[in-house]
Amino acid sequence: DAKTTQPNSMESNEEEPVHLPCNHSTISGTDYIHWYRQLPSQGPEYVIHGLTSNVNNRMASLAIAEDRKSSTLILHRATLRDAAVYYCILRDVSGGTSYGKLTFGQGTILTVHP
Amino acid sequence: DAMVIQNPRYQVTQFGKPVTLSCSQTLNHNVMYWYQQKSSQAPKLLFHYYDKDFNNEADTPDNFQSRRPNTSFCFLDIRSPGLGDAAMYLCATSREVKGVTQYFGPGTRLLVL
Repeated sequence: DAKTTQPNSMESNEEEPVHLPCNHSTISGTDYIHWYRQLPSQGPEYVIHGLTSNVNNRMASLAIAEDRKSSTLILHRATLRDAAVYYCILRDVSGGTSYGKLTFGQGTILTVHP
Repeated sequence: DAMVIQNPRYQVTQFGKPVTLSCSQTLNHNVMYWYQQKSSQAPKLLFHYYDKDFNNEADTPDNFQSRRPNTSFCFLDIRSPGLGDAAMYLCATSREVKGVTQYFGPGTRLLVL
């Protein structure tokens, strides 16, 4: 499975934007970029995903580099509730043994200060 | 309107005593997954069911088994828990194997004494 690299931790202040980077230099053409987050004492939850184009939803935006070797999850206005571990995951949906499974890396611990 | 339910939230068992963890879903999804998450680590996939078809990950120990009696329920059986099996166990579902989103339950934290 293609690997991702994320900073171990990041900090932000409430109401400010947060940019969470992810490097995936070995990404293949059939890998989608997925982001999940895990709040304390909860299971992971889906945030956003994309293939080539930038994506927006009610939770966040995903900016994907033109060469797809990196991406950035953008939280436009961080709240205390956004404090979580954020996982950037490559998901191959082309078939074969990987069948689209999620392989979690270590993720980025986001701390939000009031 | 809970979608993926795991009971109990906390489970204590004794070393070597079989234990079963439960997961149910109200989403009518075809796929159910079990993940193990040890302290300060990322979730690791153990196995998944696509409908009644069981798919084991290559590195999942034989000590871990699973049953899916119907669409809604899936069980994780640990035949002889060791101290190293203490972890959070997460159940997840998706509509299809290649479904975009996996929906996770809150997890069951297992303590082995």
